[in-house]
Amino acid sequence: LAKTTQPISMDSYEGQEVNITCSHNNIATNDYITWYQQFPSQGPRFIIQGYKTKVTNEVASLFIPADRKSSTLSLPRVSLSDTAVYYCLVGARGYQKVTFGIGTKLQVIP
Amino acid sequence: EAQVTQNPRYLITVTGKKLTVTCSQNMNHEYMSWYRQDPGLGLRQIYYSMNVEVTDKGDVPEGYKVSRKEKRNFPLILESPSPNQTSLYFCASSPSQQGAGKAFFGQGTRLTVV
Repeated sequence: LAKTTQPISMDSYEGQEVNITCSHNNIATNDYITWYQQFPSQGPRFIIQGYKTKVTNEVASLFIPADRKSSTLSLPRVSLSDTAVYYCLVGARGYQKVTFGIGTKLQVIP
Repeated sequence: EAQVTQNPRYLITVTGKKLTVTCSQNMNHEYMSWYRQDPGLGLRQIYYSMNVEVTDKGDVPEGYKVSRKEKRNFPLILESPSPNQTSLYFCASSPSQQGAGKAFFGQGTRLTVV
């Protein structure tokens, strides 16, 4: 699995757009990029996955540059309920062994 | 409702007393996995299973056992719990083609070993 690096924590005011960048310099050709969200005392929740360019769903957008060595999770106009830990994972489809790391703790401030 | 169910949600036990944390999923998923979460260490994978009777070690398997006799169930067994196994445990499942990349997680089991 490609090693990932993401900021340990971020603060944002309500209503702002938040971008969390994950570095994965050793990403392999078959690897996908996946982001999970975890609220305190709950299990992680899948939010978005992508391979290249841009993916958007009702929760977030994922931007992946052409070299795929990094990716950016974008949360539009965050609210207090977006306060959570966000994890970036990289691996081939169907990968079984995984390391979540400590993720990025996003604190949304009123 | 599609879900991963863990039991119990909370457990306090004593050192050395064998315990089992159950995990069951109703989505017919092939892949199941166990994780522990500790402050400052994030989520670490204990064991995973790609199918019935197929299990493999994650990053922190010491002190744990698992079994996969049925597709829907993946119990985590602590034969002789120790205080360093006090943690928050999560079970997850997903279709085999997704593996860990698109998993559904249970609500967690908070275990305290005294």
